[in-house]
Amino acid sequence: EIVLTQSPGTLSLSPGERATLSCRASQSVSKNYLAWYQQKPGQAPRLLIYAASSRATGIPDRFSGSGSGTDFTLTISRLEPEDFAVYYCQQYGSSPWTFGQGTKVEIK
Amino acid sequence: EVQLLESGGGLVQPGGSLRLSCAASRFAFSAYAMTWVRQAPGKGLEWVSSISGSGVSTYYADSLKGRFTISRDNSKNTLYLQMNSLRAEDTAVYYCAKEFLGAASDWGQGTLVTVSS
Repeated sequence: EIVLTQSPGTLSLSPGERATLSCRASQSVSKNYLAWYQQKPGQAPRLLIYAASSRATGIPDRFSGSGSGTDFTLTISRLEPEDFAVYYCQQYGSSPWTFGQGTKVEIK
Repeated sequence: EVQLLESGGGLVQPGGSLRLSCAASRFAFSAYAMTWVRQAPGKGLEWVSSISGSGVSTYYADSLKGRFTISRDNSKNTLYLQMNSLRAEDTAVYYCAKEFLGAASDWGQGTLVTVSS
């Protein structure tokens, strides 16, 4: 089973700042099948990025994903008020799919 | 817009069974793999099970094999999760999701399962 470790656990930033979230895998993610999700309290997760760097439909271009192999990054170029949430990475390259433990982006 | 509506959650005693349903609409249901993901209260996301569009191929989290069964009825555009021998640690919100190129692209609102005596 591939273990995903996200860092930091919490990121305290102000609107307009840049957010950089990390996701490290315990072994190489097959075909870079790595996704990022955003979840707000009381809501279902929303797909942001798939295949490490492809934005999902309707996702603003301030969200970008990068990385390959075992190291992946989600970058939010300029935080908007609605971006403060919890972010999860997930690998779906090999069964069992696994999720990271999440990074909370909070308002500083 | 894709619609996914879960139902069937509720309170069940330890050792009991429950069947969750996910009614899908506004997309070609049989063409897409589907997935169940759960989230315990205050915790992160945990993948539960996935099924191919035809229903022929199924996949499970190792910890759940033998207790949970995923299935689908493409004639009814409905996904199911049969859960047996339920334990307190199965308490969670259960989400169904449509897959797009392997990732969970669209999610339902979730249904809460509480396992307690």
